[in-house]
Amino acid sequence: KNEVEQSPQNLTAQEGEFITINCSYSVGISALHWLQQHPGGGIVSLFMLSSGKKKHGRLIATINIQEKHSSLHITASHPRDSAVYICAVVFGNEKLTFGTGTRLTIIP
Amino acid sequence: SQTIHQWPATLVQPVGSPLSLECTVEGTSNPNLYWYRQAAGRGLQLLFYSVGIGQISSEVPQNLSASRPQDRQFILSSKKLLLSDSGFYLCALEGTKVYGYTFGSGTRLTVV
Repeated sequence: KNEVEQSPQNLTAQEGEFITINCSYSVGISALHWLQQHPGGGIVSLFMLSSGKKKHGRLIATINIQEKHSSLHITASHPRDSAVYICAVVFGNEKLTFGTGTRLTIIP
Repeated sequence: SQTIHQWPATLVQPVGSPLSLECTVEGTSNPNLYWYRQAAGRGLQLLFYSVGIGQISSEVPQNLSASRPQDRQFILSSKKLLLSDSGFYLCALEGTKVYGYTFGSGTRLTVV
């Protein structure tokens, strides 16, 4: 069964802390997306990965194909980073499968 | 570049009322389009997908329907909303191996 698991489900941290959100999947994939869902509900696509590492500003996404694992890191976290972060995976040629998300709260 | 326009962002509708959510795309032709729903406390679940005009596949039985009247238009509808239809609805465009999926900003529907 194609499954996507995220951890932790909820994460609260102080402003400035380094944040790591994890995503594991069950079988080989062709691509992995990291999405940000704002408190109002809007979705923003952060990264698409099929291998290696990508960086955009304070956000870094990595993927380890052999271990079937991806991480999203946020450096120098800020209250505006508070959101739900969602991992979504394309298993082979199948459709997207979404994780349940990680709710991140950054306290000033 | 490929873009998706999805509206409205939020919607409050009474039980039994009809629903129409629209998603339009730009920057591509003959796209594969998807409607997802996120119920409270759960992950996004695929509702419908379309590989072309008039072609709709449903993943789960429900009170909703979808239509693809034009190549770049994908509509999610209901004749009579139920309380259980409340949730976050997301339209997505399947892209290339380089660019991946493109997502609409979503619609938060509350049925009261």
